[in-house]
Amino acid sequence: DAMVIQNPRYQVTQFGKPVTLSCSQTLNHNVMYWYQQKSSQAPKLLFHYYDKDFNNEADTPDNFQSRRPNTSFCFLDIRSPGLGDTAMYLCGTRKRTQETQYFGPGTRLLVL
Amino acid sequence: GENVEQHPSTLSVQEGDSAVIKCTYSDSASNYFPWYKQELGKRPQLIIDIRSNVGEKKDQRIAVTLNKTAKHFSLHITETQPEDSAVYFCAASNVYSGGGADGLTFGKGTHLIIQP
Repeated sequence: DAMVIQNPRYQVTQFGKPVTLSCSQTLNHNVMYWYQQKSSQAPKLLFHYYDKDFNNEADTPDNFQSRRPNTSFCFLDIRSPGLGDTAMYLCGTRKRTQETQYFGPGTRLLVL
Repeated sequence: GENVEQHPSTLSVQEGDSAVIKCTYSDSASNYFPWYKQELGKRPQLIIDIRSNVGEKKDQRIAVTLNKTAKHFSLHITETQPEDSAVYFCAASNVYSGGGADGLTFGKGTHLIIQP
Protein backbone atom coordinates (compact mmCIF):
# COMPACT_ATOMS: atom_id res chain seq x y z
CA ASP A 1 0.00 0.00 0.00
CA ALA A 2 2.89 2.38 0.54
CA MET A 3 3.87 2.02 -3.12
CA VAL A 4 1.85 5.07 -4.19
CA ILE A 5 2.40 7.95 -1.81
CA GLN A 6 0.59 11.25 -1.76
CA ASN A 7 1.62 14.34 0.14
CA PRO A 8 0.27 16.05 1.98
CA ARG A 9 -2.61 13.89 3.17
CA TYR A 10 -4.55 16.96 4.26
CA GLN A 11 -4.21 20.50 2.94
CA VAL A 12 -6.09 23.63 3.87
CA THR A 13 -5.63 26.65 1.64
CA GLN A 14 -7.23 30.01 1.14
CA PHE A 15 -9.32 31.00 -1.81
CA GLY A 16 -6.97 31.98 -4.62
CA LYS A 17 -3.76 30.81 -2.94
CA PRO A 18 -1.83 28.39 -5.17
CA VAL A 19 -1.38 24.87 -3.91
CA THR A 20 0.69 21.90 -5.08
CA LEU A 21 -0.11 18.28 -4.37
CA SER A 22 2.42 15.54 -4.96
CA CYS A 23 2.33 11.88 -5.85
CA SER A 24 5.25 9.48 -5.86
CA GLN A 25 5.42 5.82 -6.76
CA THR A 26 7.99 3.09 -6.34
CA LEU A 27 6.31 0.79 -8.87
CA ASN A 28 8.09 2.20 -11.92
CA HIS A 29 4.72 2.53 -13.62
CA ASN A 30 4.59 4.37 -16.93
CA VAL A 31 1.20 5.97 -16.47
CA MET A 32 0.14 8.36 -13.73
CA TYR A 33 -3.35 9.79 -13.33
CA TRP A 34 -4.94 12.57 -11.31
CA TYR A 35 -8.57 12.30 -10.26
CA GLN A 36 -10.78 14.71 -8.36
CA GLN A 37 -13.37 13.18 -6.04
CA LYS A 38 -15.87 15.51 -4.44
CA SER A 39 -17.89 14.48 -1.43
CA SER A 40 -20.28 11.59 -2.18
CA GLN A 41 -19.31 11.60 -5.85
CA ALA A 42 -17.32 9.36 -8.13
CA PRO A 43 -13.69 10.09 -8.97
CA LYS A 44 -13.36 12.25 -12.08
CA LEU A 45 -10.30 12.09 -14.29
CA LEU A 46 -8.45 15.41 -14.63
CA PHE A 47 -5.45 14.34 -16.73
CA HIS A 48 -2.79 11.69 -17.07
CA TYR A 49 0.79 11.17 -18.15
CA TYR A 50 1.81 8.30 -20.34
CA ASP A 51 5.56 8.44 -19.68
CA LYS A 52 6.26 12.09 -20.50
CA ASP A 53 3.24 12.57 -22.71
CA PHE A 54 0.58 14.71 -21.07
CA ASN A 55 -3.10 14.03 -21.77
CA ASN A 56 -5.62 16.56 -20.57
CA GLU A 57 -9.34 15.81 -20.26
CA ALA A 58 -11.45 18.21 -22.31
CA ASP A 59 -13.42 19.52 -19.34
CA THR A 60 -10.52 19.96 -16.89
CA PRO A 61 -10.36 23.65 -15.90
CA ASP A 62 -7.28 25.61 -16.93
CA ASN A 63 -6.76 26.31 -13.24
CA PHE A 64 -5.42 22.75 -12.91
CA GLN A 65 -1.94 21.98 -14.18
CA SER A 66 0.37 19.02 -13.81
CA ARG A 67 4.09 18.26 -13.94
CA ARG A 68 5.95 14.99 -14.14
CA PRO A 69 9.68 15.67 -13.70
CA ASN A 70 10.58 11.97 -13.66
CA THR A 71 8.99 8.52 -13.66
CA SER A 72 8.46 8.46 -9.91
CA PHE A 73 6.89 11.85 -9.26
CA CYS A 74 3.85 13.70 -10.49
CA PHE A 75 2.49 17.02 -9.22
CA LEU A 76 -0.92 18.64 -9.36
CA ASP A 77 -0.84 22.43 -9.28
CA ILE A 78 -3.99 24.40 -8.61
CA ARG A 79 -3.16 27.95 -9.58
CA SER A 80 -6.07 29.80 -8.00
CA PRO A 81 -8.21 27.44 -5.94
CA GLY A 82 -11.88 28.17 -5.65
CA LEU A 83 -14.31 26.94 -3.01
CA GLY A 84 -15.56 24.38 -5.53
CA ASP A 85 -12.13 22.75 -5.66
CA THR A 86 -12.58 21.34 -2.17
CA ALA A 87 -12.27 17.61 -2.77
CA MET A 88 -10.17 14.50 -2.36
CA TYR A 89 -7.47 14.31 -5.03
CA LEU A 90 -6.44 10.80 -5.97
CA CYS A 91 -3.29 9.79 -7.80
CA GLY A 92 -3.45 6.59 -9.82
CA THR A 93 -0.70 4.62 -11.50
CA ARG A 94 -0.59 1.84 -14.06
CA LYS A 95 2.05 -0.23 -15.74
CA ARG A 96 1.98 0.08 -19.51
CA THR A 97 1.48 -3.65 -20.07
CA GLN A 98 -1.29 -4.08 -17.50
CA GLU A 99 -4.80 -2.72 -17.09
CA THR A 100 -4.90 -2.50 -13.31
CA GLN A 101 -4.79 0.99 -11.89
CA TYR A 102 -3.54 1.51 -8.32
CA PHE A 103 -4.54 4.47 -6.23
CA GLY A 104 -2.66 6.43 -3.61
CA PRO A 105 -4.34 7.31 -0.30
CA GLY A 106 -5.45 10.69 -1.60
CA THR A 107 -5.01 14.29 -0.50
CA ARG A 108 -7.99 15.96 1.13
CA LEU A 109 -7.99 19.59 0.05
CA LEU A 110 -10.11 22.18 1.81
CA VAL A 111 -10.38 25.64 0.24
CA LEU A 112 -11.60 28.34 2.62
CA GLY B 1 -16.73 10.28 -24.34
CA GLU B 2 -17.68 7.35 -22.16
CA ASN B 3 -20.66 7.53 -19.83
CA VAL B 4 -21.21 4.94 -17.09
CA GLU B 5 -24.54 4.58 -15.30
CA GLN B 6 -24.69 2.66 -12.02
CA HIS B 7 -27.70 1.37 -10.06
CA PRO B 8 -28.84 1.35 -7.36
CA SER B 9 -27.34 4.31 -5.54
CA THR B 10 -28.06 2.63 -2.18
CA LEU B 11 -28.50 -1.07 -1.49
CA SER B 12 -29.37 -2.54 1.87
CA VAL B 13 -29.23 -6.33 2.34
CA GLN B 14 -29.36 -8.70 5.27
CA GLU B 15 -26.09 -10.28 6.31
CA GLY B 16 -25.68 -13.55 4.46
CA ASP B 17 -27.83 -12.51 1.51
CA SER B 18 -26.53 -11.65 -1.96
CA ALA B 19 -26.05 -8.18 -3.40
CA VAL B 20 -26.11 -7.22 -7.06
CA ILE B 21 -24.98 -3.89 -8.50
CA LYS B 22 -25.49 -3.07 -12.16
CA CYS B 23 -23.72 -0.75 -14.57
CA THR B 24 -24.17 0.22 -18.19
CA TYR B 25 -21.66 1.94 -20.43
CA SER B 26 -22.04 3.88 -23.65
CA ASP B 27 -18.76 3.58 -25.55
CA SER B 28 -18.47 0.31 -27.45
CA ALA B 29 -14.68 0.82 -27.55
CA SER B 30 -14.43 0.27 -23.79
CA ASN B 31 -12.87 -3.09 -23.09
CA TYR B 32 -11.83 -3.06 -19.45
CA PHE B 33 -14.25 -2.96 -16.52
CA PRO B 34 -12.95 -2.83 -12.95
CA TRP B 35 -14.90 -2.62 -9.73
CA TYR B 36 -13.58 -0.64 -6.78
CA LYS B 37 -14.57 -0.68 -3.12
CA GLN B 38 -14.11 2.53 -1.19
CA GLU B 39 -14.48 2.82 2.55
CA LEU B 40 -15.13 6.20 4.09
CA GLY B 41 -12.12 8.50 3.76
CA LYS B 42 -9.97 5.85 2.08
CA ARG B 43 -8.67 5.17 -1.41
CA PRO B 44 -10.61 3.06 -3.90
CA GLN B 45 -9.43 -0.54 -3.78
CA LEU B 46 -9.74 -2.83 -6.78
CA ILE B 47 -11.82 -5.89 -5.92
CA ILE B 48 -12.32 -7.50 -9.32
CA ASP B 49 -12.04 -6.62 -12.99
CA ILE B 50 -13.00 -8.11 -16.33
CA ARG B 51 -11.90 -7.70 -19.94
CA SER B 52 -14.38 -7.55 -22.78
CA ASN B 53 -13.29 -10.90 -24.18
CA VAL B 54 -14.58 -12.63 -21.03
CA GLY B 55 -18.22 -13.03 -20.00
CA GLU B 56 -17.79 -13.84 -16.34
CA LYS B 57 -15.13 -13.86 -13.67
CA LYS B 58 -15.29 -15.07 -10.11
CA ASP B 59 -13.10 -14.61 -7.04
CA GLN B 60 -14.44 -16.34 -3.94
CA ARG B 61 -17.63 -14.49 -2.92
CA ILE B 62 -17.33 -11.88 -5.67
CA ALA B 63 -18.24 -12.30 -9.32
CA VAL B 64 -18.60 -9.97 -12.28
CA THR B 65 -20.60 -10.63 -15.43
CA LEU B 66 -20.35 -8.72 -18.70
CA ASN B 67 -22.81 -8.51 -21.57
CA LYS B 68 -20.89 -6.74 -24.32
CA THR B 69 -23.84 -6.67 -26.71
CA ALA B 70 -26.07 -4.92 -24.21
CA LYS B 71 -23.15 -2.89 -22.80
CA HIS B 72 -23.82 -3.79 -19.22
CA PHE B 73 -21.90 -5.46 -16.44
CA SER B 74 -22.80 -6.46 -12.91
CA LEU B 75 -21.13 -7.14 -9.59
CA HIS B 76 -22.41 -10.03 -7.50
CA ILE B 77 -21.47 -10.47 -3.87
CA THR B 78 -22.69 -13.65 -2.16
CA GLU B 79 -22.88 -14.44 1.57
CA THR B 80 -22.50 -10.78 2.44
CA GLN B 81 -20.68 -9.86 5.63
CA PRO B 82 -20.64 -6.62 7.68
CA GLU B 83 -17.17 -5.77 6.34
CA ASP B 84 -18.65 -5.65 2.83
CA SER B 85 -20.36 -2.38 3.80
CA ALA B 86 -18.78 0.37 1.66
CA VAL B 87 -19.30 2.37 -1.52
CA TYR B 88 -18.73 0.36 -4.68
CA PHE B 89 -17.81 1.97 -7.98
CA CYS B 90 -17.89 0.41 -11.39
CA ALA B 91 -15.67 1.87 -14.08
CA ALA B 92 -14.88 1.49 -17.76
CA SER B 93 -11.81 2.16 -19.85
CA ASN B 94 -10.41 1.54 -23.31
CA VAL B 95 -7.07 -0.25 -23.06
CA TYR B 96 -5.14 -0.20 -26.33
CA SER B 97 -3.17 -3.12 -27.63
CA GLY B 98 0.01 -1.02 -27.56
CA GLY B 99 -0.33 -0.50 -23.81
CA GLY B 100 -1.94 2.90 -23.73
CA ALA B 101 -5.32 3.46 -22.17
CA ASP B 102 -7.89 6.09 -21.49
CA GLY B 103 -8.37 6.92 -17.84
CA LEU B 104 -11.19 5.30 -15.93
CA THR B 105 -14.73 6.63 -16.22
CA PHE B 106 -16.56 5.80 -13.02
CA GLY B 107 -20.20 5.19 -12.24
CA LYS B 108 -21.69 7.31 -9.47
CA GLY B 109 -21.29 4.61 -6.86
CA THR B 110 -23.50 2.32 -4.79
CA HIS B 111 -23.60 2.59 -1.03
CA LEU B 112 -23.91 -1.02 0.13
CA ILE B 113 -25.24 -1.49 3.64
CA ILE B 114 -25.11 -4.91 5.25
CA GLN B 115 -27.73 -5.23 7.96
CA PRO B 116 -26.72 -7.57 10.83
